[in-house]
Amino acid sequence: NAGVTQTPKFRILKIGQSMTLQCTQDMNHNYMYWYRQDPGMGLKLIYYSVGAGITDKGEVPNGYNVSRSTTEDFPLRLELAAPSQTSVYFCASSYHSYEQYFGPGTRLTVT
Amino acid sequence: AQRVTQPEKLLSVFKGAPVELKCNYSYSGSPELFWYVQYSRQRLQLLLRHISRESIKGFTADLNKGETSFHLKKPFAQEEDSAMYYCALSGGTGGFKTIFGAGTRLFVKA
Repeated sequence: NAGVTQTPKFRILKIGQSMTLQCTQDMNHNYMYWYRQDPGMGLKLIYYSVGAGITDKGEVPNGYNVSRSTTEDFPLRLELAAPSQTSVYFCASSYHSYEQYFGPGTRLTVT
Repeated sequence: AQRVTQPEKLLSVFKGAPVELKCNYSYSGSPELFWYVQYSRQRLQLLLRHISRESIKGFTADLNKGETSFHLKKPFAQEEDSAMYYCALSGGTGGFKTIFGAGTRLFVKA
């Protein structure tokens, strides 16, 4: 199993551009999550999903959108990139509600 | 509100010395507590959880409900323990959503 994969690994965006961070898991997990990690801070939950077709906001959802059309995929969309969205983004999944399996992260810089 | 506090951003110890990474939490309900670890150039992974009461890589953590703490301990630190450690909480009124602490970077010196 590849586990949780994320693409791209790195990206530089200009202010106002849009992009989609991809996340795929091959463990048939129902729960999926997107976090951002800012320097010196813990992980902040952006959005989560409890199954295909079901998503909900986390702690810091503004400026982001998600969709969950399949069990495997949970893409995160940035519509109008802002410098405040410069961060490392982690996708995670879990079968039950507790132990989470993380992807390698995407380092995003908005200038 | 549920919160996880890791008071130390950096902890530096010598190889063979005991190590304790502190974690305090606030919650509503019955939380589950975890320690996650991120080694250099590796992804974040679960180290241990309080319900399993196990020792992983020599690390243990005891849930102290009276002090609302879940400190991570190891009697003899090894250089390969150098990593970023995150305390996390889920359950309670937050349900399955997990709250992470800011993390403590452990540096074990030779």
